[in-house]
Amino acid sequence: GQQVMQIPQYQHVQEGEDFTTYCNSSTTLSNIQWYKQRPGGHPVFLIQLVKSGEVKKQKRLTFQFGEAKKNSSLHITATQTTDVGTYFCAGRGYGGSQGNLIFGKGTKLSVKP
Amino acid sequence: DAGVIQSPRHEVTEMGQEVTLRCKPISGHDYLFWYRQTMMRGLELLIYFNNNVPIDDSGMPEDRFSAKMPNASFSTLKIQPSEPRDSAVYFCASSYGGVSYNEQFFGPGTRLTVL
Repeated sequence: GQQVMQIPQYQHVQEGEDFTTYCNSSTTLSNIQWYKQRPGGHPVFLIQLVKSGEVKKQKRLTFQFGEAKKNSSLHITATQTTDVGTYFCAGRGYGGSQGNLIFGKGTKLSVKP
Repeated sequence: DAGVIQSPRHEVTEMGQEVTLRCKPISGHDYLFWYRQTMMRGLELLIYFNNNVPIDDSGMPEDRFSAKMPNASFSTLKIQPSEPRDSAVYFCASSYGGVSYNEQFFGPGTRLTVL
């Protein structure tokens, strides 16, 4: 079945450093979503990418969807302590309904002030 | 909007007991999802409903787990009998299928501990 792999599992950075997490799917995706979960909290939707090669920005966050629509990345420029949390990608395959959203295991980001 | 509401927020029970988790989705949303989150397995989709009808329950671990959605504003996830390996955070999420975004809104979760 469809699998979504996410790396790295953990990332420790100094405040001000950049951070990137990568997501790879075993199959072509119709779209991909990114969520952030703060410690002790619940996943919160960040963004959805749909088009091949799409790039979207939210302030210091840059999201990319690969040309083949099988991989995606989230890059944070100049991390801040407020960026701490786990970042999940979630990919949706073709066919079926929106329930076909497969979550990666997430990248846990810690930021040292 | 109050968002997705889950109860209880924390549940501690003994092995063999029945556990019922409750969820109230966002009004107007037609999809409801139950997830389980553990350190080892990450976020797993257990079951989801569309217009109160179960669509895919392939993620339900075994017959001890059951879920119902009697109406558009209420769903339950029941574990009977519970086992220590069921200890996890259980999230309910809802979404509206009529828009292209399909963003899922998660509730605060129920932290279940089975002793």
